[in-house]
Amino acid sequence: QVQLQESGPGLVKPSETLSLLCTVSGGSISGYYWNWIRQYPGKGLEYIGYFDYSQTTHYNPSLKSRVSISVDTSKNQLSLLLSSVTTADTALYYCARGFGTVAAGLFDYWGRGSLVTVSS
Amino acid sequence: QSVLTQPPSASGTPGQRVTISCSGSNSNIGSNTVNWYQQFPGTAPSLLIYTDNQRPSGVPDRFSGSKSGTSASLAISGLQSEDEADYYCAAWDDRFHGPVFGGGTRLTVV
Repeated sequence: QVQLQESGPGLVKPSETLSLLCTVSGGSISGYYWNWIRQYPGKGLEYIGYFDYSQTTHYNPSLKSRVSISVDTSKNQLSLLLSSVTTADTALYYCARGFGTVAAGLFDYWGRGSLVTVSS
Repeated sequence: QSVLTQPPSASGTPGQRVTISCSGSNSNIGSNTVNWYQQFPGTAPSLLIYTDNQRPSGVPDRFSGSKSGTSASLAISGLQSEDEADYYCAAWDDRFHGPVFGGGTRLTVV
């Protein structure tokens, strides 16, 4: 059974960089595309970006200047860096496995989420 | 402000049929397939309907999806108390070059 587990600091100061890891177990990280999605306290979901099996990345245009997603296949880990955070970046951050074509937007396995609060 | 528009809430009684709408535009629903996710409190979303009207293995056939033009709908028949959850529609957006989500609909079984 594929499992995803996010990890990282729960509290980040404004203007600093948010750093999260997603560890994948029970399956290979190769052959799929890997995504970060966040959910605001009011429940809305926002796509952050993905890293696909051809080592292509795509980022939400509204975050593009601040975000970086990478994959370490040797460790079966996905990482997220989001710089210059503000309180508007306070959210529950999910990693999710994408399957099929990227344009299908299908996510079959999700982590439990990592709550990140931006506050001084 | 979500790209896809859903009603914030819906409700029904046990056994009833309810529908949840999702409105988009030509760049998303109008030209790409729609997926629906179900989310229970404290858990991550899970895929409920994909490619407009397909159910993953294990999803009861009480759940069905449809699409027409730039709108999609999720229908739940024979409503059960365990269907209480948040439901999100999603679709690829050609202008955004990524998936976009609806704001979610909280379903209450009264």
